[in-house]
Amino acid sequence: GQNIDQPTEMTATEGAIVQINCTYQTSGFNGLFWYQQHAGEAPTFLSYNVLDGLEEKGRFSSFLSRSKGYSYLLLKELQMKDSASYLCASCGFNKFYFGSGTKLNVKP
Amino acid sequence: DSGVTQTPKHLITATGQRVTLRCSPRSGDLSVYWYQQSLDQGLQFLIHYYNGEERAKGNILERFSAQQFPDLHSELNLSSLELGDSALYFCASSVSGGPTSTDTQYFGPGTRLTVL
Repeated sequence: GQNIDQPTEMTATEGAIVQINCTYQTSGFNGLFWYQQHAGEAPTFLSYNVLDGLEEKGRFSSFLSRSKGYSYLLLKELQMKDSASYLCASCGFNKFYFGSGTKLNVKP
Repeated sequence: DSGVTQTPKHLITATGQRVTLRCSPRSGDLSVYWYQQSLDQGLQFLIHYYNGEERAKGNILERFSAQQFPDLHSELNLSSLELGDSALYFCASSVSGGPTSTDTQYFGPGTRLTVL
């Protein structure tokens, strides 16, 4: 089967750093995605990893370890607008598998 | 605004009915993906079309079908509707859809389907 696991909810303080973890088991793996989704809105693409290592994009970074089936999304200098759900998704044999999402609450 | 349009925005219908959801991809995008998002199941991949052809099929019920037309817009048909089909249905598009299908997907605003 395809298992994507990520924490249900996290809370962090404005200005801090938060790491959202994701583990996956995906046959025919060819990529790991992170999306941000605000309540009632469509998901928006944040990052894509297919090779091991860290991809940095402004305040957001994403890491992948294929051998461990593990990824994380790192958010730095948290802002109130970062309060949203963060979806981890893996791709295998051209099919996409989403985790249930991590709801991030940023408090002042 | 992602450039992906979906109609209608909201749809309310009764059990047993049939509905059609429409999606227009971003200009230049050849791939269209359909997803279902319900409260208890998260985002579920349904189906992927590339340049008019079905490329991959996910957890799509037999009561559901989709197609992509020559102008690249896509329709998702849901029939014999059940209460459990109530959900937000997203369409996404991307530029390519080759064997790896890993380019960025841009999501439309979604169609909220309520089955009473």
